[in-house]
Amino acid sequence: KAGVTQTPRYLIKTRGQQVTLSCSPISGHRSVSWYQQTPGQGLQFLFEYFSETQRNKGNFPGRFSGRQFSNSRSEMNVSTLELGDSALYLCASSPTGTRDEKLFFGSGTQLSVL
Amino acid sequence: GESVGLHLPTLSVQEGDNSIINCAYSNSASDYFIWYKQESGKGPQFIIDIRSNMDKRQGQRVTVLLNKTVKHLSLQIAATQPGDSAVYFCAENGYGGSQGNLIFGKGTKLSVKP
Repeated sequence: KAGVTQTPRYLIKTRGQQVTLSCSPISGHRSVSWYQQTPGQGLQFLFEYFSETQRNKGNFPGRFSGRQFSNSRSEMNVSTLELGDSALYLCASSPTGTRDEKLFFGSGTQLSVL
Repeated sequence: GESVGLHLPTLSVQEGDNSIINCAYSNSASDYFIWYKQESGKGPQFIIDIRSNMDKRQGQRVTVLLNKTVKHLSLQIAATQPGDSAVYFCAENGYGGSQGNLIFGKGTKLSVKP
């Protein structure tokens, strides 16, 4: 099975712009989660989707949003980019997203905001 | 707030020695714990997991120990190899319904000296 695929691998944007990141989960996985990773804050949960519905959301401003499609692929969007949004954005998938299911991560999208 | 933390940010070991990476958690509601390994430029890779009804679980060259009394988790790597050099994260499933809100520690960087 192919792993979790994230595109693009790298992105450079300027402040005020918006960005859309894409994630294709492992085939058969219906739960997709997004995490932000920075050197200072580590890995922080953004949100989780299952069957096109957001089930959980972390403590991030409304500029961060996401969606999931019927084929379980997911996108996240960040509007009005700030310098502090520079980070590695990781997508993870699991079959059903239950509490004792391990997550499988993609390689991430490295976002740099200038 | 409640969070998973790591005792040591860096660990340097000699090739062939055993490594022990420690983690403290504070959420009593957590009942599932995972160790991930992250190599440079890659996403976190699952190593081993353990449920709260267990004290110990073994994998290939790795062992996870869970001490619920003191809320402590450790990862033991036997016969550490250069390929084990990476950042290791512990994570707990915290509270809430779905699993999408994994709480990660800050990570321990393991360096293996040849």
